[in-house]
Parts: sequence; C-alpha cells; structure tokens
Amino acid sequence: AQSVTQPDIHITVSEGASLELRCNYSYGATPYLFWYVQSPGQGLQLLLKYFSGDTLVQGIKGFEAEFKRSQSSFNLRKPSVHWSDAAEYFCAVGSSYNTDKLIFGTGTRLQVFP
Amino acid sequence: NAGVTQTPKFQVLKTGQSMTLQCAQDMNHEYMSWYRQDPGMGLRLIHYSVGAGITDQGEVPNGYNVSRSTTEDFPLRLLSAAPSQTSVYFCASSYFFTGEAGANVLTFGAGSRLTVL
Repeated sequence: AQSVTQPDIHITVSEGASLELRCNYSYGATPYLFWYVQSPGQGLQLLLKYFSGDTLVQGIKGFEAEFKRSQSSFNLRKPSVHWSDAAEYFCAVGSSYNTDKLIFGTGTRLQVFP
Repeated sequence: NAGVTQTPKFQVLKTGQSMTLQCAQDMNHEYMSWYRQDPGMGLRLIHYSVGAGITDQGEVPNGYNVSRSTTEDFPLRLLSAAPSQTSVYFCASSYFFTGEAGANVLTFGAGSRLTVL
C-alpha cells in the first residue's frame, strides 16, 4: 500500500541549531515528493519538491531535502533554525499522473526555543 | 490573484444540520480537491475534481457531497452533520496533468474550521 511515514510527531530544537525532519515513503511508481509547512491557523505552503534530477533540492526559507531512493526517504534539513520556523511540516508523495492521489504524512510539529 | 479562497473560516453546527463550505480559485486550475485535517491523521482526501462536471471520491467521502459546475468553484456539502465531521477542511487546486513536471503542485486555501455539536 502507498503511504508516507513521518516518525517524529513533535521535535523541539533551540534557535540556531540544525534540523532534520524525517520522511519515509512507500510508493509503487516513480515518486514525486513534497514538503509543505503549515503555520498556526494557516493553510499549507509548499517548501520544496522533487520530481527528477539532482537528488538534493533547495526550497524556500533556507530548507533543503535529499531524495534517497535506496532508503525510500526524503528528509528535510535546515542548518540553522529560526524561531519563525516553528510550525507543522508535512511530507507528501504523488506522481505527475495522479495529482488526485497525493498522500500526506501525519506531520511533524516543530517547536523552537530561544 | 486571490489564489484559493475558502468561506467560512469558522462554523459551528448542531448534529443533523446541513451546510456548504465554499471554495473558489482564480488560477484557471482544472484540478480541485477537499481535504480534512485531524490531529495525528495528517490530511485525508475527501473528494476531488479534474474539471467542470467531473468529480470523484477520495479516501473519506462518506457524509459529503460535491459538485463542479464551473472551473472556479468546488463547494463541499455536509447533508446531515455529525460530531465525527468536526475538523479543519482545506480546499486545494492545481493544473491537471500537462506533461510538464511541477505544473500540478497543489495550492491550498487557508482552511475552514468546523465544529459539530
């Protein structure tokens, strides 16, 4: 079955520390992978996406993610977290042929301490 | 461009009442969808549409109806609200498959928080 797993429900980091949010997927076809961020009371905003090519992708707000096919992973990273990064982060998988079948993970809530 | 607009932002219903959540987009997107977001469950697809006059069920369609009479609008109807439908609802839209990678990235509305008592 197709699925996305975000094993960390809640992560707390200090401002300025590095961050890695984990995402593992199970998908039969070639996956298109996404990370979305949701600030409190807001809708979802696209951080970055991977379709093909370079497996290290850069997104907005200084985030990057690396696609590792052998590990079925698409982990999100940021070298230095800012207090404004506190939000909920969702990983999602789909394909260009099935936008209607975009599958979301359960999300990771990030808390940032000063 | 306004993007994806959802109304209302907040709504409280009593069990058995009906209501419609509105969703409109001004990007000429063919694909529109409704998700519900519940704690610990992520986003789950309720219904979607790939164009005017075409709708289909997602993962959790029971208790909800949709129609797509225009490209711009995709309302979600609750015919007889139940407490289990208490949730935050998101509408999202995109271009449908165009053969161009990246064209069909979803744009989300700000959400509608529904409470059913």
